[in-house]
Amino acid sequence: DAGVTQSPTHLIKTRGQQVTLRCSPKSGHDTVSWYQQALGQGPQFIFQYYEEEERQRGNFPDRFSGHQFPNYSSELNVNALLLGDSALYLCASSLWGGRNNEQFFGPGTRLTVL
Amino acid sequence: QKEVEQNSGPLSVPEGAIASLNCTYSDRGSQSFFWYRQYSGKSPELIMFIYSNGDKEDGRFTAQLNKASQYVSLLIRDSQPSDSATYLCAANSGYSTLTFGKGTMLLVSP
Repeated sequence: DAGVTQSPTHLIKTRGQQVTLRCSPKSGHDTVSWYQQALGQGPQFIFQYYEEEERQRGNFPDRFSGHQFPNYSSELNVNALLLGDSALYLCASSLWGGRNNEQFFGPGTRLTVL
Repeated sequence: QKEVEQNSGPLSVPEGAIASLNCTYSDRGSQSFFWYRQYSGKSPELIMFIYSNGDKEDGRFTAQLNKASQYVSLLIRDSQPSDSATYLCAANSGYSTLTFGKGTMLLVSP
């Protein structure tokens, strides 16, 4: 039973560039949430996708956008990268309407913006 | 503003002792609460969740919830050096979105 997978593992970009991160949810899950975790902080919710639509969004600018595909996998896109975008980006999968809303995280993508 | 507060630590305990980790939350509408363990450089790993007032036990871990006081805790019995990590408390904010605290670093010394 495959868990949550993310790619790439690490990424280095320069300011102003654009980046795309990818996530495949755990088998049987249909909902993908993205979080940003800066060093020394807890994860911050970016947005959530279910049935290929953005369902919830946290307090992030529209430079952050996403997509969900029919196979439930998801992408996170960040445009016009800033130094402050350097962080660990986490994808979490869950089952929509699941009783306890348990979310399981992938290994993350470490993004460094120079 | 929905907030989850945790003491950043570090909390230092000797091997074999009980470690007690605490968090408070601001949103009375939160219905379920989660404890994640995060080793340095790794992603958070779900330890357990709780949604009813009282205690919930799972092996060496016990989660406690007091909704009246908006307080959640995690007890780790017989602490081991391998338990040394940052423990994140999270509250369900609706539609499967989680609000996390900053985490408490736990150090278990042999």
